[in-house]
Amino acid sequence: RKEVEQDPGPFNVPEGATVAFNCTYSNSASQSFFWYRQDCRKEPKLLMSVYSSGNEDGRFTAQLNRASQYISLLIRDSKLSDSATYLCVVTDTGGFKTIFGAGTRLFVKA
Amino acid sequence: NAGVTQTPKFQVLKTGQSMTLQCAQDMNHNSMYWYRQDPGMGLRLIYYSASEGTTDKGEVPNGYNVSRLNKREFSLRLESAAPSQTSVYFCASSEEKGNTEAFFGQGTRLTVV
Repeated sequence: RKEVEQDPGPFNVPEGATVAFNCTYSNSASQSFFWYRQDCRKEPKLLMSVYSSGNEDGRFTAQLNRASQYISLLIRDSKLSDSATYLCVVTDTGGFKTIFGAGTRLFVKA
Repeated sequence: NAGVTQTPKFQVLKTGQSMTLQCAQDMNHNSMYWYRQDPGMGLRLIYYSASEGTTDKGEVPNGYNVSRLNKREFSLRLESAAPSQTSVYFCASSEEKGNTEAFFGQGTRLTVV
């Protein structure tokens, strides 16, 4: 079993749609959680951190369920510019073993 | 602001050749990392450096060596390139260890033939 698993997609959605990505992790002692965004042939960039209480940044909402070892990302009112690969990232209690999921590809169509 | 700068951006090597990938950051970050990214595999950590003067193995260190030359620079060396090392390599840095945002360089696309 991979340490961080994501549905690879692709997700094809129309503009304005709401789309949700899920991610599961295997290490119950994991400490920190993030969503990164990676555009085609570009470097990953931080989208948002994920907190136990859940957090929102504009159209993006991230949730963490430690009991189920599950992270989610919700994108509301999708824009063409949201088309990218979304990477789920988990770090262990030591903070150095940072594991990236393989990513979920999103295509937003006009 | 330059952020994290990697060189070269593209490289083709023959099997058995050696090369060094260079990485420099201007954000005064303590921690630096080297990842490789292969299709369907996500980013995998090769080596990291928690601070100047220290380096440690990550998930896939075999076939690579690193040097933390100073606080700014962290290089990755392939001593004898193999086709299995064909990949996109990313350097990253963060203020401290992995609990803070990592900033990535633009990547090096390496092909070993």
